[in-house]
Amino acid sequence: LAKTTQPISMDSYEGQEVNITCSHNNIATNDYITWYQQFPSQGPRFIIQGYKTKVTNEVASLFIPADRKSSTLSLPRVSLSDTAVYYCLASGLGNYQLIWGAGTKLIIKP
Amino acid sequence: DAGVTQSPTHLIKTRGQQVTLRCSPKSGHDTVSWYQQALGQGPQFIFQYYEEEERQRGNFPDRFSGHQFPNYSSELNVNALLLGDSALYLCASTSQGASNTEAFFGQGTRLTVV
Repeated sequence: LAKTTQPISMDSYEGQEVNITCSHNNIATNDYITWYQQFPSQGPRFIIQGYKTKVTNEVASLFIPADRKSSTLSLPRVSLSDTAVYYCLASGLGNYQLIWGAGTKLIIKP
Repeated sequence: DAGVTQSPTHLIKTRGQQVTLRCSPKSGHDTVSWYQQALGQGPQFIFQYYEEEERQRGNFPDRFSGHQFPNYSSELNVNALLLGDSALYLCASTSQGASNTEAFFGQGTRLTVV
C-alpha cells in the first residue's frame, strides 16, 4: 500500500498558484518526499524532492512541516500545460521499490 | 544526452503469446526499474536490475522476467500473456548511490493483449 494519501482531483485557473497536499502519517525517519508529474501516455517526470522544511526549484516549491505528517506541493502561476496527474511518494534513499498511489489529477482551466 | 528510451512504443499481442520490451537507461545510469501502469492507476513496481541481477521484485508472477546487459540496458519479458497484462510498461533509470526516488522514466510501451 502507498504510504501517502492525496486528493483525487483538483481544478484551478491559469495564472493561479496551486497547492496540492499529501498526507503521510506513518513515514519512516529516513523517508524522503518526492513529487512526480505525469501527462497522458507518458512516463512520470521528477518535479521536486525534500525531507523537511522548504525546498524550491525552478518549477515548484515543496513544504514539509516539522512533524512530517504531510507535505504541500506549490505550483506558482499555473498554465494550461500544467494539467496532469501529480504523484506524491515517500521513500528512503536506497529503497528500490517506489510505491505509487493514484495521484491527483490537476485540471487547469482558461 | 539521450534520456531513457523504450521500444517499441506500442504493441498488440494475442493472449498466450510472449512479449519482450526493451529499455536503454539515461547516460551514466546503471540501474533500471520496470513498472506496470494500468489505465487510471499509478505505476506498480515490477522489479529492478543492477549489475545484471534482479535486486528487488514487486508482487508480480514468474511470468514476468527480466534481464540487464553489460551496457546497462534491460529487457522485460512477459510469458503467457493475459488480457489483464494490457497496460503501459514504464522503464526508469537511476544511478547507484544517488537518490533512488529521483528516477528518470521513458515514454513507456503501450501493450495491448487481445
